[in-house]
Amino acid sequence: GAVVSQHPSWVICKSGTSVKIECRSLDFQATTMFWYRQFPKQSLMLMATSNEGSKATYEQGVEKDKFLINHASLTLSTLTVTSAHPEDSSFYICSGRTSGTQQYFGPGTRLTVT
Amino acid sequence: GNSVTQMEGPVTLSEEAFLTINCTYTATGYPSLFWYVQYPGEGLQLLLKATKADDKGSNKGFEATYRKETTSFHLEKGSVQVSDSAVYFCALPDGSGNTGKLIFGQGTTLQVKP
Repeated sequence: GAVVSQHPSWVICKSGTSVKIECRSLDFQATTMFWYRQFPKQSLMLMATSNEGSKATYEQGVEKDKFLINHASLTLSTLTVTSAHPEDSSFYICSGRTSGTQQYFGPGTRLTVT
Repeated sequence: GNSVTQMEGPVTLSEEAFLTINCTYTATGYPSLFWYVQYPGEGLQLLLKATKADDKGSNKGFEATYRKETTSFHLEKGSVQVSDSAVYFCALPDGSGNTGKLIFGQGTTLQVKP
């Protein structure tokens, strides 16, 4: 139980284009979803917290106009990287939680911007 | 807010060796503590957790005991296998109310050689 999927698992896009990453909770309702970014050999950096039906809360230093997060339902959240640039290349991981503190993580999406 | 510190890696061991990865924390109260594992190219998986002081979390031969006296949650395994090679993260809630946010340690890379 408590499975989170992400799609796509990897994506290559050209500089200046936008790319959308989906995060789905397959067997539970995620009242809160989190988006993280991970650079090689580093820890996870929380980008934003999204609650179903409300605007996402972004961490300090994260550009909300560049990283658009939508949490339209209890099982789906999307992260859109707008006007992507090579420095946006990274591993993006989402997680979902129902209540309490335990989070269930997706497998991650590898974004490469050329 | 809460914080967590992990021993720096990488840790390189031979198969069947004993493993310890140190984790210490600072926190208000006695929050749940977690160990997550990340295999190459994948998202995070919950390895084990402890929800109160003196609890021992265990899974797949790994153990960690919630020690409030030393504010530690060290991860141990008696006999590691090559398949245990991964990055291990210690984590706890950020302490800022019921946000569900987790604070992660910097991660410790474990490499097990045959």
